[in-house]
Amino acid sequence: GQSLEQPSEVTAVEGAIVQINCTYQTSGFYGLSWYQQHDGGAPTFLSYNALDGLEETGRFSSFLSRSDSYGYLLLQELQMKDSASYFCAVRVNTGFQKLVFGTGTRLLVSP
Amino acid sequence: DSGVTQTPKHLITATGQRVTLRCSPRSGDLSVYWYQQSLDQGLQFLIQYYNGEERAKGNILERFSAQQFPDLHSELNLSSLELGDSALYFCASSALAIMAPDTQYFGPGTRLTVL
Repeated sequence: GQSLEQPSEVTAVEGAIVQINCTYQTSGFYGLSWYQQHDGGAPTFLSYNALDGLEETGRFSSFLSRSDSYGYLLLQELQMKDSASYFCAVRVNTGFQKLVFGTGTRLLVSP
Repeated sequence: DSGVTQTPKHLITATGQRVTLRCSPRSGDLSVYWYQQSLDQGLQFLIQYYNGEERAKGNILERFSAQQFPDLHSELNLSSLELGDSALYFCASSALAIMAPDTQYFGPGTRLTVL
């Protein structure tokens, strides 16, 4: 089967940097993606890493190490609007391709 | 606004009942994915349709079924409802047949409450 682990909650202040880690155990691994979800809202795609290394998109960066089965999402210059839940999800192929989501990390940004 | 629409936004029903959730994908997208998000299980993939055909099946219960119509909209049917079926149900669409996270767009969801 597949399992993902990420912290349940992270707190930070405006302007700070926060890193949300994700470790996974899967078979048929293709890549790791990250989603943001505000309360009551839909998941919004943030990034996808298929290869090792760092991908940067504005204030957000995502990292993957396939050998360590580990990735992280880095959020810089935090803003109040970044308060949301962040999910890592592995793209796997177990006869067909699908996304398996972690249980999410709730980020609380305070003034 | 992702361009994916779902109706209804909220649904309250009783145990044992049957409901239908509807999803219209973004214009031009041929794939529709259904997900269930509950408090204790997180976001789980249920099923995928591509151009009217079932393409992939995840953790979908036998009491649940789905279909995609010629106009590409999709319906998720939930029957013999149980309290544990209370959840947010999301539909996502993509232009591709294969799963590619960067091309998948989620709808606003339907919140189902089973009393």
